[in-house]
Amino acid sequence: DAKTTQPPSMDCAEGRAANLPCNHSTISGNEYVYWYRQIHSQGPQYIIHGLKNNETNEMASLIITEDRKSSTLILPHATLRDTAVYYCIVRGTSGSRLTFGEGTQLTVNP
Amino acid sequence: EADIYQTPRYLVIGTGKKITLECSQTMGHDKMYWYQQDPGMELHLIHYSYGVNSTEKGDLSSESTVSRIRTEHFPLTLESARPSHTSQYLCASSEWDSYTEAFFGQGTRLTVV
Repeated sequence: DAKTTQPPSMDCAEGRAANLPCNHSTISGNEYVYWYRQIHSQGPQYIIHGLKNNETNEMASLIITEDRKSSTLILPHATLRDTAVYYCIVRGTSGSRLTFGEGTQLTVNP
Repeated sequence: EADIYQTPRYLVIGTGKKITLECSQTMGHDKMYWYQQDPGMELHLIHYSYGVNSTEKGDLSSESTVSRIRTEHFPLTLESARPSHTSQYLCASSEWDSYTEAFFGQGTRLTVV
């Protein structure tokens, strides 16, 4: 699975959009981009995933660049409860394992 | 809501004791995983399984062992607990197809004194 790079921390004001970047320059054609988050040492929670098209669900939007070498997770209206560590993961074939990097600590400030 | 359960949630145990951390899922998932996480640190994959009678070591070396006799059950055992085993242990499961999400349990926080 391709390696990902994320900033270690970010801050966002409550009510504003939080844009979390992820670089995955070695991604291959059959690999998906996944985002999870972990709130204060609870079990990680799935947010969204995509292959090459932009995706949106009730939690967030995922924007993947045309060359697929980077992506951005967007929380449109961040709340205090969105404070968490956000993990960007690239996964490919059915045999691939699920491994996490260091993630981005997002802090939403009042 | 995810149907994956870990017991106990918290465990304090003395050095040298044998312990088993339980993980069960009712979603019929083939893949199951164990992670170890120290406070404020990364999640490290220590064991995974692709199905019954399949177990593999993860990226982080661990003295624990696992078994997968039933699809729904993936227990982790420490034969002789040590203070260095103090950590949080998280279990997860997913369908065989990697293009679906994984579900996590709430974790077991283990303290060895």
